Amino acid sequence: GAVVSQHPSRVICKSGTSVKIECRSLDFQATTMFWYRQFPKQSLMLMATSNEGSKATYEQGVEKDKFLINHASLTLSTLTVTSAHPEDSSFYICSASNRVNMNTEAFFGQGTRLTVV
Amino acid sequence: LAKTTQPISMDSYEGQEVNITCSHNNIATNDYITWYQQFPSQGPRFIIQGYKTKVTNEVASLFIPADRKSSTLSLPRVSLSDTAVYYCLVGLSLDSSYKLIFGSGTRLLVRP
Repeated sequence: GAVVSQHPSRVICKSGTSVKIECRSLDFQATTMFWYRQFPKQSLMLMATSNEGSKATYEQGVEKDKFLINHASLTLSTLTVTSAHPEDSSFYICSASNRVNMNTEAFFGQGTRLTVV
Repeated sequence: LAKTTQPISMDSYEGQEVNITCSHNNIATNDYITWYQQFPSQGPRFIIQGYKTKVTNEVASLFIPADRKSSTLSLPRVSLSDTAVYYCLVGLSLDSSYKLIFGSGTRLLVRP
C-alpha cells in the first residue's frame, strides 16, 4: 500500500510552547488528510479533515485556534498544537487519501506521541 | 454517516478462526465497509474493504449480507501477532462530508 510518513514519532515539549507535526504522503497525491487524536485504551477521535488548498473542517469541540492545520500541497499536511498544555498529551495520527473513487482506502501515518510537561 | 457497533473485546487461541461482526444499520447506498487493524502506539493498518457479498485477500475475508446492515471480518488461523484492535468503518462517500469516523473497535487477544 501507499506510504504516509509522520514526523516526529515522539516529542516532549514544555507547557506553553507550540509543536508542529508533519504528515507526508510519499508516493501518491493526497487530496484529503485527516487528523486524529487517541488517548490510551480509546479509539481514534477525528479532529479535523483538510482538503488541499482549502481550510480544514474541524469536528465539534476541537479548537481551531489551538490545533492549526495546514494542507498547502498534495503531499504535506501539518498540525500545530499551539500553547500546549499537559492535557494535550496524546497520540496524534494523520491519514491521507486520494479519493479517486468510492472504494479508495485511506493510509495512516505511524503516529506522534506528544508529551507536554 | 453510519454508526458502527462492534464487540468491545474477543479472546481466541492460536490457530483458530476468528470472526468479528460489525453492525451498521444506517449504512448508505454509496458506503463501503473497511476494516483496519491497530497495534499499540501505531497508526491503523488497512486490512480489507468490501461493498457486498464476500471479499477475500491474503490476510482476511469479509462477509457482507445482502442488506449490508452488518459485516463480518474473518481471520483464518490467528497467531499471537494478530493480537490488536480491529476497527470497522463505513462511509467513504464522495460528498463534501467525506470523513473516516472510528467506532470503539474490538480488542482481540490471541492466547497461546
